[in-house]
Amino acid sequence: SYVLTQPPSVSVAPGQTARILCGGNNIGSKGVHWYQQKPGQAPVLVVYDEGDGPSGIPDRFSGSNSGSTATLTISRVEAGDEADYYCQVWDSSSDRHDYVFGTGTKVTVL
Amino acid sequence: QVQLVQSGAEVKKPGASVKVSCKVSGSTLTELPMHWVRQAPGKGLEWMGGFDPEDAETIYAQKFQVGVTMTEDTSADTAYLELSSLRSEDTAVYYCATGSKGDYFDYWGQGTLVIVSS
Repeated sequence: SYVLTQPPSVSVAPGQTARILCGGNNIGSKGVHWYQQKPGQAPVLVVYDEGDGPSGIPDRFSGSNSGSTATLTISRVEAGDEADYYCQVWDSSSDRHDYVFGTGTKVTVL
Repeated sequence: QVQLVQSGAEVKKPGASVKVSCKVSGSTLTELPMHWVRQAPGKGLEWMGGFDPEDAETIYAQKFQVGVTMTEDTSADTAYLELSSLRSEDTAVYYCATGSKGDYFDYWGQGTLVIVSS
């Protein structure tokens, strides 16, 4: 089955840029989506198709995807961005259609 | 605006069954294929399965092909997740989730905590 690997944690100072990586075999050929989850809350979609953000999501959140790595970039980080972040793809590479989540990255704002 | 409202927390004994509901408002189940995601305490998100509109059938992740049943009542715009033969490892928050495009989830329920304990 398809596996998405993320670093367990990323730390960033307020106002700086956070980059969260998501590794997967030939992930550049897939649509990658990103979710933010704060403690005790449901996940929220922050980037879809590795570039676009849903309405209501600040444009400080952006994504990119190439080769074996997708990246979520959070610009001008704020204290309220502290959360867990998950990448996700829809994998149709086998005879199955699976939705796969990454292992998750905890972003700490220093 | 689409909203998903789930049923409340449950406490069950090992071996029992539980049925979690997810009510759709602002749209209909026929327009939004429903999926279920599990999150064990302190762990990440796991896709359990959901409705595949391409094949018009419910598909299950390999890990959840036994003991898990997903159903829908389209007349009530409500989806259900039933877990049987519960074990302590099934203790988790269960989310319903759906999306307008199909390969990501832009709408989530608030989550239902299921605790399995003797």
